[in-house]
Order: sequence, then structure tokens, then C-alpha cells
Amino acid sequence: GENVEQHPSTLSVQEGDSAVIKCTYSDSASNYFPWYKQELGKGPQLIIDIRSNVGEKKDQRIAVTLNKTAKHFSLHITETQPEDSAVYFCAASISLYSGGYNKLIFGAGTRLAVHP
Amino acid sequence: GAVVSQHPSWVICKSGTSVKIECRSLDFQATTMFWYRQFPKQSLMLMATSNEGSKATYEQGVEKDKFLINHASLTLSTLTVTSAHPEDSSFYICSAPPRRARQETQYFGPGTRLLVL
Repeated sequence: GENVEQHPSTLSVQEGDSAVIKCTYSDSASNYFPWYKQELGKGPQLIIDIRSNVGEKKDQRIAVTLNKTAKHFSLHITETQPEDSAVYFCAASISLYSGGYNKLIFGAGTRLAVHP
Repeated sequence: GAVVSQHPSWVICKSGTSVKIECRSLDFQATTMFWYRQFPKQSLMLMATSNEGSKATYEQGVEKDKFLINHASLTLSTLTVTSAHPEDSSFYICSAPPRRARQETQYFGPGTRLLVL
């Protein structure tokens, strides 16, 4: 079945530095790749997503890149701030056999700590 | 837009009792909702797909008779943990893709923390 690997599992950076999280997926049919931020005790929050017809997408300090040939995608956070500290999950979509909706397969998560 | 709520936010119950968790889409309709379970310091594991007006689809290894799902309307899905045991203690999260949006985009609720004593 579909598998998503995420690295690193923990990441510690100084405020103002950049952070990069990488994911690899196995199902070449996957065509949608969201990134979620989860703070302690809360539900995941969608922060950015990318579809397979695009190689890169940027939203202020956050960017995502996708390499479909290599089946990997990455999250880039620039000018990190202490409030960026959270667990970040990547995901890849696979089609359900009915309903037309895709289900998401999540990576294991990356715990990001931004130190002042 | 695209707000999903859950109720209750946390619940403590005795072993053997049943617990119902509600998932509501507040500003959109959702014919499909997803239920996830998350253990401490682990990732989200999909339990089942809830379909409005039809039976839910369960992931392999998830007992459908233990985790009852009812998707009675376009804005409400419920998950009932029947005869809960301590090993069912977890963080339960629902998500929904808005009908008006692309089918892939999922918005998550705030989660329900269940503790079974």
C-alpha cells in the first residue's frame, strides 16, 4: 500500500534560520500533497498544499517543492519564529474506490523547535 | 471558511461504557468525513471514511462493531466507541473535504481526547 516517509523526526533551529522537512511517497498515482501543522492538543491545520501539475508553491515564509519523478516533496520555512514550533506532517493522497474523494496517508511527523 | 468542530473536546469514561463523538462542518456541506486516531507522539491513522446516507468504510484492522459511525446529514458525522477499554484511550480527530472545493482538501476538527479508566 501507499507509504509516506518523513525526515527528520526532530528539527531544532535558531530563530531566523530556515527549516526544511522532506517526504517521500510510494504511490506514483498520488497527485495531491498537503502539509499540516499540529500544535499540542489541537487538530492539524493545513498550512500549504501542492498538486502534481505544479513543481513549487510559495506562501509568504512557507514554500513546498515537488519532484514527481523522484516521488519526493519538501517543506521550506524561512525566517523561522518561535511560534513556528509544532509538529509538521506531510501527506499524500490516494483515490478511494468510491465517492470520488481521496484519502490521505500521513508521514510520521517532524517536531520542529525554534529557539529564540 | 471550512471550519470543522468536534464535541466533546475531551471525555473520561469507565471501562465498558460507550462514548459518542460528534464531528460537524460549520460552514460547508460534506458528503464524506474521515475519522482518525492519534496516539501520543505518533502520526494520524485513518480509521474509517464516513459517507452521508450510506455505510462507512473501515480501514483494515479497525473493528466496525466497536467503532460505530453514523453520517446522518451533510454536516454531521458521529463516532461511537462501544464498550470502551483503556487501550481505546487516544486522540480522535475528524476531517472533511468541502463539497464546493477540490475533493482532496481536508480540514480537520480540533480533536477529542478520550481517556478510558
